[in-house]
Amino acid sequence: NAGVTQTPKFQVLKTGQSMTLQCAQDMNHEYMSWYRQDPGMGLRLIHYSVGAGITDQGEVPNGYNVSRSTTEDFPLRLLSAAPSQTSVYFCASSYRDSSFNEQFFGPGTRLTVL
Amino acid sequence: KNQVEQSPQSLIILEGKNCTLQCNYTVSPFSNLRWYKQDTGRGPVSLTIMTFSENTKSNGRYTATLDADTKQSSLHITASQLSDSASYICVVSARGNNRLAFGKGNQVVVIP
Repeated sequence: NAGVTQTPKFQVLKTGQSMTLQCAQDMNHEYMSWYRQDPGMGLRLIHYSVGAGITDQGEVPNGYNVSRSTTEDFPLRLLSAAPSQTSVYFCASSYRDSSFNEQFFGPGTRLTVL
Repeated sequence: KNQVEQSPQSLIILEGKNCTLQCNYTVSPFSNLRWYKQDTGRGPVSLTIMTFSENTKSNGRYTATLDADTKQSSLHITASQLSDSASYICVVSARGNNRLAFGKGNQVVVIP
C-alpha cells in the first residue's frame, strides 16, 4: 500500500493564480481531510469528507474548495491564491470518523504564494 | 483559546537521556487522546492512543500517561536516540464530535 500520497511536494504561486493540490489514498478509508500547518500553530482543519459525494467545512475553509467524487481522491483547490495561504498542507485519511480512528497523513505539500 | 496546551515548546536533550513532554487539555466531554510524532518534512504518525479508562500505554521507548481527572497527559521518551528528534503533537478528541483539537507540538532535538 502506498498509503496517502500528495502531489506536488513543493509549489510556488503568484498572487491570484489558481491550483489544485492532489491527495489520494489506497486504504479504502471513508474519512478524508485537509489541514494546514503554520509555524507556531497547531494543525488546522480546512475541509473534510465522510465519504464520496459528501464534504464539509472545517475551521479555516475560506479560499479553498474541495470535492470527493471517488473514495480514493480528495483534491483541494485554491481559486485565487493569496500570500496568507503560504503554508504546508497535509491530507489525511481514516476509517469512518477521525475522532477515534487513527488518521494517516500524507507527506505534505509546501506552498509559497508570492 | 487553544483547547490543547503542550509544554515545553522545545527542548534539547543528550542522546541516551530521558525526557517527558506534557499535554494539558480542556476538551470536554473527553473521548481519547493521541500522541503523534512528526519528523521534519514529513506528515505526523500516530504513536499511541489513550482512552478514558487507560492510565499508561507504551510503544517501545515511548510511554504515554493520562490523568483524565486533571486533564493531563505526558509522553516519556526513554534512552533517547538521534531518530527521536521530531515534533510530538498531542491531539484530543471529544465524544460525539468529529473534530479534533491539536496542540502546537513539542519540538525535541536529540544531540550526540
